[in-house]
Amino acid sequence: DADVTQTPRNRITKTGKRIMLECSQTKGHDRMYWYRQDPGLGLRLIYYSFDVKDINKGEISDGYSVSRQAQAKFSLSLESAIPNQTALYFCATSDPQGVRTDTQYFGPGTRLTVL
Amino acid sequence: LAKTTQPISMDSYEGQEVNITCSHNNIATNDYITWYQQFPSQGPRFIIQGYKTKVTNEVASLFIPADRKSSTLSLPRVSLSDTAVYYCLVGDERGPGSQGNLIFGKGTKLSVKP
Repeated sequence: DADVTQTPRNRITKTGKRIMLECSQTKGHDRMYWYRQDPGLGLRLIYYSFDVKDINKGEISDGYSVSRQAQAKFSLSLESAIPNQTALYFCATSDPQGVRTDTQYFGPGTRLTVL
Repeated sequence: LAKTTQPISMDSYEGQEVNITCSHNNIATNDYITWYQQFPSQGPRFIIQGYKTKVTNEVASLFIPADRKSSTLSLPRVSLSDTAVYYCLVGDERGPGSQGNLIFGKGTKLSVKP
């Protein structure tokens, strides 16, 4: 979805390096999410934020941190990257106002390789 | 806490109708059922959503029986471009951070052959 952008799209880095993945959205949604996907597995939630002042850990937050700089921006950091963090990372947004469930809109993904 | 169960994979041929069933025996009263489609190296994309009975849009139909313990995504006359992973999620407006809510499992990998 072009309304949700992720940078970079691809990144190769070395063990121990600090990496930041950025997500921006123009949908005006309050909720933003970071997921990772490994081959053959579903998406696993890393962190989520329901508004600028709200940050919550997801299923697999160890080794990651996030920053919600504005409603439109949500960054994921790997303070000291390790090889098992090699994965495809997705950002998503949602806005359940007026509906009774939470439909998510995903970015194109960032492929991260840690050597 | 997984709330849904669906087949790992399915094969079909072009032009056939494909039905993917998802089991959600513990669905809560407030839960809706949502299906997403994911192509390789892309983010999941919303396909269809429903609460009960039948929902149809330009892409698919969703059949939900009265007890709501399962749902079936129906793709009419599939083509090669429908080859993707299909995810079934159940949940309410609390968002995927709430335990057991709107969890992406492994999905169903649909392979459409010529």
